[in-house]
Amino acid sequence: EIVMTQSPATLSVSPGERATLSCRASQSVSSNLAWYQQKPGQAPRLLIYGASTRATGIPARFSGSGSGTEFILTISSLQSEDFAVYYCQQYNNWPRTFGQGTKVEIK
Amino acid sequence: EVQLLESGGGFVQPGGSLRLSCAASGLTFSADAMSWVRQAPGKGLEWVSTISGSSGSIYYADSVKGRFTISRDNSKNTLFLQMNSLRADDTAVYYCAKLEGATMARNWFDPWGQGTLVTVSS
Repeated sequence: EIVMTQSPATLSVSPGERATLSCRASQSVSSNLAWYQQKPGQAPRLLIYGASTRATGIPARFSGSGSGTEFILTISSLQSEDFAVYYCQQYNNWPRTFGQGTKVEIK
Repeated sequence: EVQLLESGGGFVQPGGSLRLSCAASGLTFSADAMSWVRQAPGKGLEWVSTISGSSGSIYYADSVKGRFTISRDNSKNTLFLQMNSLRADDTAVYYCAKLEGATMARNWFDPWGQGTLVTVSS
């Protein structure tokens, strides 16, 4: 099983600032990585797939990068609606596995 | 617009059974692979099971293999999860999700339903 490790667990950011979230895979997943956003009481929402392709309707301030074992999700200028928990997920191997999440909170 | 609506959650005692349903609309259901993903209270996301559009390919997490059965009725646009021998650590919100991607080998979850809560307790 591929273990996905996200850091940091919590990120405190002021509105308008940049947020950088990391995700590391225990073995290469090529570019088969997705990022999801989850707000309290809501279902997760797809942000990024293929490590760097934004899903339909996702604002350009969200960007993904990386391949192999190291991945980054960047939110260029945090808006109030971006404070949430973010999960990475690999779909290179079965079983599909998620990181434990990074909570982005208001500083 | 794709809509997924889960139902069937509830309270069950350890060792009991429950059957979850996910009604899908706005998609060509028989062409799409579908999954169940769960989230224990206050915890992260855990993939549970995936089924191809034809039901020819099925995958399970080790934690549920032998106890849970995924199935689908393409004539009714409905996905199911039969859960037997339930344990306290199966307590979670269960989400159904459509899979996107060119092949069964490489696909991601989009969109997700709103989830249904399963509570296993004595």
